[in-house]
Amino acid sequence: AQTVTQSQPEMSVQEAETVTLSCTYDTSESNYYLFWYKQPPSRQMILVIRQEAYKQQNATENRFSVNFQKAAKSFSLKISDSQLGDTAMYFCAFVNSGGGADGLTFGKGTHLIIQP
Amino acid sequence: NAGVTQTPKFRILKIGQSMTLQCTQDMNHNYMYWYRQDPGMGLKLIYYSVGAGITDKGEVPNGYNVSRSTTEDFPLRLELAAPSQTSVYFCASRLWGSGISPLHFGNGTRLTVT
Repeated sequence: AQTVTQSQPEMSVQEAETVTLSCTYDTSESNYYLFWYKQPPSRQMILVIRQEAYKQQNATENRFSVNFQKAAKSFSLKISDSQLGDTAMYFCAFVNSGGGADGLTFGKGTHLIIQP
Repeated sequence: NAGVTQTPKFRILKIGQSMTLQCTQDMNHNYMYWYRQDPGMGLKLIYYSVGAGITDKGEVPNGYNVSRSTTEDFPLRLELAAPSQTSVYFCASRLWGSGISPLHFGNGTRLTVT
């Protein structure tokens, strides 16, 4: 079974700073997908970014980027120029590429607080 | 295009009562899922379905039942509510195809069992 570990239960940074959230995973598969989801206080789950394991290039979406280290099974999320609206729970998630019908496996989340 | 719609948003149940959490999607997604979210525990998969008439257990199915009579609807049934089922429940869907499409989530149902 796959596992996803987020070792930082909570982080706090000042507005405009850069912050990195860590995520490690465990799998025996060679091809899979990784995601970061954001959950603001509204409870809505919002896709932030995704990475396909066979792509070596790190995914980027505006101020959000990942550092994907396949050999180390690490998938960290970097938020640049952090904004107050980035305050949320962030979940790392994993799914095998073989259909993934059984759903994503989620980490326990990191509560990110952006201070004014 | 409403996406994934869950009802109700909030519910309080007494121990032993039953209820159905409704979930419908209008994106013609074939895969649908039910997750529960407990504080500090992330999301855990309860049940999933790959199409109408097909359902399967996830990681934490005990105490729940599902059905999938149409592509659009995937209700979750709690037969005898217990305090351990106090949680936030999310329904999600995605389209099967080449590659992996992301999950689309509903806005969740907060359930309290007392």
